[in-house]
Amino acid sequence: EAQVTQNPRYLITVTGKKLTVTCSQNMNHEYMSWYRQDPGLGLRQIYYSMNVEVTDKGDVPEGYKVSRKEKRNFPLILESPSPNQTSLYFCATRIGGSLQETQYFGPGTRLLVL
Amino acid sequence: DQQVKQNSPSLSVQEGRISILNCDYTNSMFDYFLWYKKYPAEGPTFLISISSIKDKNEDGRFTVFLNKSAKHLSLHIVPSQPGDSAVYFCAASAHAGGTSYGKLTFGQGTILTVHP
Repeated sequence: EAQVTQNPRYLITVTGKKLTVTCSQNMNHEYMSWYRQDPGLGLRQIYYSMNVEVTDKGDVPEGYKVSRKEKRNFPLILESPSPNQTSLYFCATRIGGSLQETQYFGPGTRLLVL
Repeated sequence: DQQVKQNSPSLSVQEGRISILNCDYTNSMFDYFLWYKKYPAEGPTFLISISSIKDKNEDGRFTVFLNKSAKHLSLHIVPSQPGDSAVYFCAASAHAGGTSYGKLTFGQGTILTVHP
């Protein structure tokens, strides 16, 4: 079964405590990306990766890091989380760069930073 | 600066009737548009898309209309069913020779409720 998994699904943390949200896909997709969803703002892209070792900034990259050491995994790293990073995060994958290919989203990670 | 706007936060429709969800955009470089549907506690799922070379695309009960001169697109669901109750996001992209590779700009979302 084609899957995009995210862990953890829910996380409460405190300001400044480093955390990592993992994303894994079993579809051998080249393209992966991270979004955050906030009320009244929709989904905004944080980072994306076109392939292993190739990453680029989206619209709201500040405060986030990513890595793509292997094709199936694309972790999102918050080195020093702040309350304004409280949000719902989605990982997404696609076969390649073409938007005519279907993009699959993970189930989401709800993060609360106190 | 919100380049893709869904000005109706919510829409309530009776089962069997038509649901019309609207989306406006400001970036004239956008040339590909998509609609996603999202249920609570799940990620968004792709619904339907349209290229700027078309003005209509249909898939079963779902039709997307694009009015490039007005920079407006709409999603029609006919007939609406209770299972269609979800949040609907429109999204847009500018291919621009690959310089916006893979980047989607989303609207704020519209909550659709279909009453039995």
